[in-house]
Amino acid sequence: EAQVTQNPRYLITVTGKKLTVTCSQNMNHEYMSWYRQDPGLGLRQIYYSMNVEVTDKGDVPEGYKVSRKEKRNFPLILESPSPNQTSLYFCASSLKASSYEQYFGPGTRLTVT
Amino acid sequence: AQSVTQPDIHITVSEGASLELRCNYSYGATPYLFWYVQSPGQGLQLLLKYFSGDTLVQGIKGFEAEFKRSQSSFNLRKPSVHWSDAAEYFCAVGSNDYKLSFGAGTTVTVRA
Repeated sequence: EAQVTQNPRYLITVTGKKLTVTCSQNMNHEYMSWYRQDPGLGLRQIYYSMNVEVTDKGDVPEGYKVSRKEKRNFPLILESPSPNQTSLYFCASSLKASSYEQYFGPGTRLTVT
Repeated sequence: AQSVTQPDIHITVSEGASLELRCNYSYGATPYLFWYVQSPGQGLQLLLKYFSGDTLVQGIKGFEAEFKRSQSSFNLRKPSVHWSDAAEYFCAVGSNDYKLSFGAGTTVTVRA
């Protein structure tokens, strides 16, 4: 089944404790992206990747890192999480950036205390 | 930079009634337009998209949307809603730099 998977689905952590949210897709998509969803703000893009080893900042990259060493994986790293990063995070992928049609993972709900 | 406005935060509709969700966009060139649906606890699913051509676009689950350039709008419609249509709906606009910008979303409640 074609899908985007994220782990973990739920995470509660403390300020400053490094964490990684994994994202994997099995559709051989070139383009991958991370979003955060906050009430009343919709989805805002954190980082995106056009292909392996090619990443770039989205609208709200501060406090996040990403890497794209393999085509299928695009982990999101929070080196020192803070409470304002409490949010619902979505990973998405599309065949190419110009495809626009993005497939979304189920989301990761992160709480930073 | 492009932006999307969804004027209605929450809409309540009776089962079997029609539904229309509003979306206005701001973008200098010809936009690529999308509607996504998010069911509770789920990721986003693409309902329909407009790139060019016929301004009335058909999507999945019986939804359609109409692109009106003069009004910078891309409203979503369904003639008869089902209880399973209760969800949050997001309008998005794609720009030439391959970026998708989302609106804040409209939550639809369906009453029996």
